[in-house]
Amino acid sequence: DAKTTQPPSMDCAEGRAANLPCNHSTISGNEYVYWYRQIHSQGPQYIIHGLKNNETNEMASLIITEDRKSSTLILPHATLRDTAVYYCIVRSRGSEKLVFGKGTKLTVNP
Amino acid sequence: NAGVMQNPRHLVRRRGQEARLRCSPMKGHSHVYWYRQLPEEGLKFMVYLQKENIIDESGMPKERFSAEFPKEGPSILRIQQVVRGDSAAYFCASSFQGRETQYFGPGTRLLVL
Repeated sequence: DAKTTQPPSMDCAEGRAANLPCNHSTISGNEYVYWYRQIHSQGPQYIIHGLKNNETNEMASLIITEDRKSSTLILPHATLRDTAVYYCIVRSRGSEKLVFGKGTKLTVNP
Repeated sequence: NAGVMQNPRHLVRRRGQEARLRCSPMKGHSHVYWYRQLPEEGLKFMVYLQKENIIDESGMPKERFSAEFPKEGPSILRIQQVVRGDSAAYFCASSFQGRETQYFGPGTRLLVL
């Protein structure tokens, strides 16, 4: 599975959009980009995933660049409860396990 | 619409005792994964099981750790003769099929005294 690079920490004001970047320059054609978050040592929570196209669900939007070497997770209106560590994971179709990096610690400030 | 369930949520053991952690997957899921998170570290894959089969145990320590997922009942992660270094949060995840989205449980926090 390709390696990902994320900033260690970010801050965001409550009510504003949080844009979390992820670099995955070695991603290959059959690898998906997954996003999970972990709120204060709870179990990781699935957010969204995508292959090529941008994706949106009730939690977030995922924007993947055309060359697929990077992506951005967007929380459109961050709340204090969105404070968490966000993990960007690249996973091949043939791989069952998730490889977690250090993630980005997002702090949403009032 | 219950999610992945794990019990106990907290477990305290003395060195040398056995720890048994249980995981009930989401309804309809037959694939289970175990991950371990040591203090101040990221999650690390341990083992992947389907009903009655271990598919990938590449992340399991060679000794004292075992996992099973019987035909009936929850998946169990068993740690024999626990040591202080086993203190960690153990998370279970499940998926409908082997390469689909994994959903995690709340974890079991193991403390070895």
